[in-house]
Amino acid sequence: GDSVTQMEGPVTLSEEAFLTINCTYTATGYPSLFWYVQYPGEGLQLLLKATKADDKGSNKGFEATYRKETTSFHLEKGSVQVSDSAVYFCALSDGNSGYSTLTFGKGTMLLVSP
Amino acid sequence: DAGVIQSPRHEVTEMGQEVTLRCKPISGHDYLFWYRQTMMRGLELLIYFNNNVPIDDSGMPEDRFSAKMPNASFSTLKIQPSEPRDSAVYFCASSFRGTDTGELFFGEGSRLTVL
Repeated sequence: GDSVTQMEGPVTLSEEAFLTINCTYTATGYPSLFWYVQYPGEGLQLLLKATKADDKGSNKGFEATYRKETTSFHLEKGSVQVSDSAVYFCALSDGNSGYSTLTFGKGTMLLVSP
Repeated sequence: DAGVIQSPRHEVTEMGQEVTLRCKPISGHDYLFWYRQTMMRGLELLIYFNNNVPIDDSGMPEDRFSAKMPNASFSTLKIQPSEPRDSAVYFCASSFRGTDTGELFFGEGSRLTVL
């Protein structure tokens, strides 16, 4: 079945540091890929997405590129802020069935200190 | 705009008691999902509905769990009897035309503690 593997956290960074959170996936066909973010005490919200190979999703300074050859969708940000502290989830949607559902990774906690 | 609304936000109960979690999806959304989040297992899909009809309940852990969607604006997740291992945060999410666009709208979750 489909699966998503993320690097384990927490990832601890100082403000303005460069961020990478690794995500790899296993899926049949050509999934769409997503990053969701969960701030403390809140539900998940969509951060960015990419629907085909070589697409780059971006939002709020975060970027991720859909790499079919390495089955990866790593999340990056050039300069993190304290307000970016949250849990980040990589997810895929295979879309091959009539009703596609999201498969989530286990999440990676990011802690940014001033 | 009102988002997905869940209640209660927090529930503490004793083992063996019945628990009912409630969800009001975003108006106009035709898919509704129930997820469970724990440290050990991450985010698990329990069940989802399309136009109020359950489509896939294979994630429901056992017969103690049941979910209903009597109309387009309301869904419940019931656990009877509850057990300590059911302690988790339960999220409801809704979307329009399934997850093909990838955007699920999540509620703030119901944190359940079973003593």
